[in-house]
Amino acid sequence: GQNIDQPTEMTATEGAIVQINCTYQTSGFNGLFWYQQHAGEAPTFLSYNVLDGLEEKGRFSSFLSRSKGYSYLLLKELQMKDSASYLCAVKGQAGTALIFGKGTTLSVSS
Amino acid sequence: DVKVTQSSRYLVKRTGEKVFLECVQDMDHENMFWYRQDPGLGLRLIYFSYDVKMKEKGDIPEGYSVSREKKERFSLILESASTNQTSMYLCASRTLGFSLGASATNEGYTFGSGTRLTVV
Repeated sequence: GQNIDQPTEMTATEGAIVQINCTYQTSGFNGLFWYQQHAGEAPTFLSYNVLDGLEEKGRFSSFLSRSKGYSYLLLKELQMKDSASYLCAVKGQAGTALIFGKGTTLSVSS
Repeated sequence: DVKVTQSSRYLVKRTGEKVFLECVQDMDHENMFWYRQDPGLGLRLIYFSYDVKMKEKGDIPEGYSVSREKKERFSLILESASTNQTSMYLCASRTLGFSLGASATNEGYTFGSGTRLTVV
């Protein structure tokens, strides 16, 4: 079967660093995506990894290890506006739709 | 910017009604998708379409059908709405053209704003 696991909830304080993990087991692999979703809004694209290693985009970084079926999203210098759900999604076989994890709800407090 | 527009933000329908959810994208994307999102279950794929008049079942197609007569429009149809179809429905689109290897600014989906459907 196909499975994507990520923690349900995480909490952190302003200015801190938080790492959201995602493990996956899918039929084929053609890339891993992270999306941010604020309550009541559509998901918005954050990052994409298809090769092993770290991709950095400002305060956000995403890491991929294909051999371990593992990724993480790293958020630095947390701000209150980072309180949201973070969705991990995998593109399995070519030509198929994205498979989403259940999402991690991050709460940032002052 | 790519725009994916869902015709209604909120809908309330009665059990047994036939319901149409419309999704339109303005960037000539080949692929379009319908998901539903429920608390604790995440996004689950209902149907997707590779191109005009082409459709594939996703993980939870029961009780739904789709129509793609034009490239820009992908409609989700609830043949006979039931209370267990109360949910947030998200449409997304994606182009086939992308670069392999390096990361890209957006290799994934562009989502619509969602339609929150309540069936009473």
